[in-house]
Amino acid sequence: DGGITQSPKYLFRKEGQNVTLSCEQNLNHDAMYWYRQDPGQGLRLIYYSQIVNDFQKGDIAEGYSVSREKKESFPLTVTSAQKNPTAFYLCASSIFQGDTEAFFGQGTRLTVV
Amino acid sequence: QQQVKQSPQSLIVQKGGISIINCAYENTAFDYFPWYQQFPGKGPALLIAIRPDVSEKKEGRFTISFNKSAKQFSLHIMDSQPGDSATYFCAASFFGNEKLTFGTGTRLTIIP
Repeated sequence: DGGITQSPKYLFRKEGQNVTLSCEQNLNHDAMYWYRQDPGQGLRLIYYSQIVNDFQKGDIAEGYSVSREKKESFPLTVTSAQKNPTAFYLCASSIFQGDTEAFFGQGTRLTVV
Repeated sequence: QQQVKQSPQSLIVQKGGISIINCAYENTAFDYFPWYQQFPGKGPALLIAIRPDVSEKKEGRFTISFNKSAKQFSLHIMDSQPGDSATYFCAASFFGNEKLTFGTGTRLTIIP
């Protein structure tokens, strides 16, 4: 089955700790994205990557970091510098050009206590 | 800087009625306008999309109406059903910069 897998589904961390969210896709998509979802604010873009070993900041990149060492994987690290990290995080992928339909994972709900 | 404005924030419609959600955009370079549907605890999924060369697109009970001059587009759900209860997001992007800019979402509730 082709798709995007995010893990874990729920994640709890203590304040001040870095945490890494996993995102893997087997759709052979070039582009991958991380969004943050908060009630009433829609989906806000954190980082995106259009090719391996390259990525760009989105609208709310502060306090986050990413890597794209493999086409299939785009992990997101929420660092201790992120002021309000508790949120629902969504990973997505798409073909780089042409049809821009984005396919989303099931999300990771991060709670920092 | 919000480039896609969505309204209403929440909507309650009776079963069998028409649900209408509206979006307005600012960037005239946008040339792809999708709608995504999201159920609680799940990721969004593409529902229907339109490009500005047409004014309307229909897929089953779902229709997008597009007004290029007004820079507005809307989603109409005909014969709304309880299973349509979800959060709907409009979005926009343009060729050469495929990252989607999303609206803030509309929580739709269909009541019997």
